[in-house]
Amino acid sequence: QVQLVQSGAEVKKPGSSVKVSCKASGGSFNNYAINWVRQAPGQGLEWVGGLIPMFGKPKYAQKFQGRVTITADESTSTAYMELSSLRSEDTAVYYCARLPAPLNFYYMDVWGKGTTVIVSS
Amino acid sequence: DIVLTQSPGTLSLSPGERATLSCRASQSVSSSSLAWYQQKPGQAPRLLIYAISARATGTPDRFSGSGSGTDFTLTISRLEPEDFSVYYCQQYGSSPLTFGGGTKVEIK
Repeated sequence: QVQLVQSGAEVKKPGSSVKVSCKASGGSFNNYAINWVRQAPGQGLEWVGGLIPMFGKPKYAQKFQGRVTITADESTSTAYMELSSLRSEDTAVYYCARLPAPLNFYYMDVWGKGTTVIVSS
Repeated sequence: DIVLTQSPGTLSLSPGERATLSCRASQSVSSSSLAWYQQKPGQAPRLLIYAISARATGTPDRFSGSGSGTDFTLTISRLEPEDFSVYYCQQYGSSPLTFGGGTKVEIK
């Protein structure tokens, strides 16, 4: 069973960037998509964007257009989410999640444990 | 964007009782593209139901999903202690993917 292993917590200054990784352990990205979802403290779930690694063209939520870049390295089965121009409101847990088909919009059946990103001066 | 409104915000029930959670969409959800997730404190969400009523692998049969169009329901037939948690609905029929605000099921 594939597991998604995310990189560790980050503390960043406002205006800087953060890059979070998500490695598929026990499987690969073949025939799947990877999405990123964030959750601010005490809040609900918010879709950030996603990518079908075999096709390579990402989709982003309008709110993050211009600030987020989602990529994937099929050779290492690792996906990345980079968020720039960080502000305090970006403080959240960032989850990667697998969509069990090569589709841009689907449900998410496997989730990483999350990466806490804290933006503070 | 499709806005998903979940109600109630909090549901206070006792173990063994039936829980009924609602998810209402601002417009029709296409192709039965609605899922439910359970999230416990400090954990990632876990997929329970997809395609309105299909149980994910490992989802107990006390969980059932129903509905169509704009109105959807997650029912837990008899609450077990491990079911007290937060539940989110998600639509994936239209861009962007959206989630409801969540329903917390707490012990009465």
